[in-house]
Amino acid sequence: ETGVTQTPRHLVMGMTNKKSLKCEQHLGHNAMYWYKQSAKKPLELMFVYSLEERVENNSVPSRFSPECPNSSHLFLHLHTLQPEDSALYLCASSQADSRGEKLFFGSGTQLSVL
Amino acid sequence: AQTVTQSQPEMSVQEAETVTLSCTYDTSESDYYLFWYKQPPSRQMILVIRQEAYKQQNATENRFSVNFQKAAKSFSLKISDSQLGDAAMYFCAYRSVNYGGSQGNLIFGKGTKLSVKP
Repeated sequence: ETGVTQTPRHLVMGMTNKKSLKCEQHLGHNAMYWYKQSAKKPLELMFVYSLEERVENNSVPSRFSPECPNSSHLFLHLHTLQPEDSALYLCASSQADSRGEKLFFGSGTQLSVL
Repeated sequence: AQTVTQSQPEMSVQEAETVTLSCTYDTSESDYYLFWYKQPPSRQMILVIRQEAYKQQNATENRFSVNFQKAAKSFSLKISDSQLGDAAMYFCAYRSVNYGGSQGNLIFGKGTKLSVKP
């Protein structure tokens, strides 16, 4: 148990659905992240919320929308997804601004888009 | 831009034996971190070991050690006395220290799937 909890564990959705992924960290960290893990591809950083600022990867489509209401909670809102968006979505947290910064990951949400 | 390459998609080792997983990277920076993460079937990425580029001494964590060759941009992971629980995907990752604020932008390799035979 690393203190980062993701729900749901699995999600199947149609292309017209709207759903949200949730992440919660119990480690007192001040930065949270969304990563995408596709088959046979390196993990890709999608969004970073650090010290109340959002940093994003400009290649992420607008059908993915993050929300970070406080330092402990992170959401990824999904709408009108495509089949190629099927992947494992991993949340992580860390204590930013520390040289010894380490990332702690959740167990991910396995998303299937039909 | 930095890149991380893991040239071994799959590896296999006999229980109690030693195995080495390869990783090379490309960067023009002089200060950075390198990591090995393990992802078992539970899917949770777990930090195995970390190396700071300015430290010449190779990092070790119990049965896990690295061979860090900065000039060659090589960062291999050695697992000694392999156990069944070591079976997992192993990812090599790079992180710059030149950003302000969060340094969470890890650049990952594609991973190596390690099987352990009893």
